Amino acid sequence: ETGVTQSPTHLIKTRGQQVTLRCSSQSGHNTVSWYQQALGQGPQFIFQYYREEENGRGNFPPRFSGLQFPNYSSELNVNALELDDSALYLCASSFKRERGTDTQYFGPGTRLTVL
Amino acid sequence: KQEVTQIPAALSVPEGENLVLNCSFTDSAIYNLQWFRQDPGKGLTSLLLIQSSQREQTSGRLNASLDKSSGRSTLYIAASQPGDSATYLCAVKAIRDMRFGAGTRLTVKP
Repeated sequence: ETGVTQSPTHLIKTRGQQVTLRCSSQSGHNTVSWYQQALGQGPQFIFQYYREEENGRGNFPPRFSGLQFPNYSSELNVNALELDDSALYLCASSFKRERGTDTQYFGPGTRLTVL
Repeated sequence: KQEVTQIPAALSVPEGENLVLNCSFTDSAIYNLQWFRQDPGKGLTSLLLIQSSQREQTSGRLNASLDKSSGRSTLYIAASQPGDSATYLCAVKAIRDMRFGAGTRLTVKP
């Protein structure tokens, strides 16, 4: 196990609602990345937070937003849910230095179903 | 833009066979390449990580190779077992994000 936890495990929402997903990083990590995995596809990068600021974003609309807290836990918020938002949402934590890259450790995911 | 492709999309083999899964990527400017296993409805389990300066990594019955110049990686599974049945994903690491292939769905028949 990686030490990265996510909650809830499963979630069912209706179209138009808002949802908040949570991620607890591995101890000592300062960076969290969020990914969306639709059925039958590989994960797609949503955004990354480093030291509580957004540090890169994939091709997702502004209704996908996030937060990283001083303890480096994180939230992913999605407003105005659409049917296509149904997916497995994965977070990955890592320790990132000022320069260079990082190795990401993935949590078990949250399965979101939008009806 | 980095594109990651995995071939084949699905593979079915009898127990005991050795097999190779393929991954190709279009941009060789990567920091590392990682192979993951994913069981249905579950998260990702990291299998092997190859840094850009390395050629291969081994763990038990698994061996992964990396040829950055040609944009290719292979995952070799020796003496396959029914418990190896899962989807295998490769991902290449850029400065911030990881780009994933769509995966190879492996079924090992007893």
